[in-house]
Amino acid sequence: ILNVEQSPQSLHVQEGDSTNFTCSFPSSNFYALHWYRWETAKSPEALFVMTLNGDEKKKGRISATLNTKEGYSYLYIKGSQPEDSATYLCASPGGGNKLVFGAGTILRVKS
Amino acid sequence: EPEVTQTPSHQVTQMGQEVILRCVPISNHLYFYWYRQILGQKVEFLVSFYNNEISEKSEIFDDQFSVERPDGSNFTLKIRSTKLEDSAMYFCASSASRATDTQYFGPGTRLTVL
Repeated sequence: ILNVEQSPQSLHVQEGDSTNFTCSFPSSNFYALHWYRWETAKSPEALFVMTLNGDEKKKGRISATLNTKEGYSYLYIKGSQPEDSATYLCASPGGGNKLVFGAGTILRVKS
Repeated sequence: EPEVTQTPSHQVTQMGQEVILRCVPISNHLYFYWYRQILGQKVEFLVSFYNNEISEKSEIFDDQFSVERPDGSNFTLKIRSTKLEDSAMYFCASSASRATDTQYFGPGTRLTVL
């Protein structure tokens, strides 16, 4: 059974700090890695879908890297802003089209 | 920008009652999903639907659950006889194609079973 892990569970940073968190997944039978940003009472927002080892993707101040051989992905936020406060979820397909999610990293940015 | 919508945003029901959760996926998408998140737990997959039939379902998706796409726009999840443990946030999602494609999520329906 595919198990996706995220760390840390939560993170509190000051406005302007850069931060990063980790998503770990089994390196065997890798297919894709999805990152989402989820604010309370809103739809989880798709950030990236990554498929190739060494992939790096960027969206504004948020970027992500992928290492399929060792089974991890990093999400980086440069110069955190209060509006970056959210839960960041990663997920990987667990066979077929279903996504298997990690527990998420809760980010709180203090102004 | 196209988005997935869900109704209602909150649903409170008594144990044993039937509930229907409704979703309008993005119009040109072909794959549809239901996930749920019980408070404090991970988001978990329930069912996927393609070409008017269930393509995959989890162990959670037992005979009490059913899905339907009654017309060209709506996608529904029915729970026939709700249990206390069905209380969760239920998310609908849709995608244009298979697992490497982005799944777009709705805002969820919070179901509370009393």
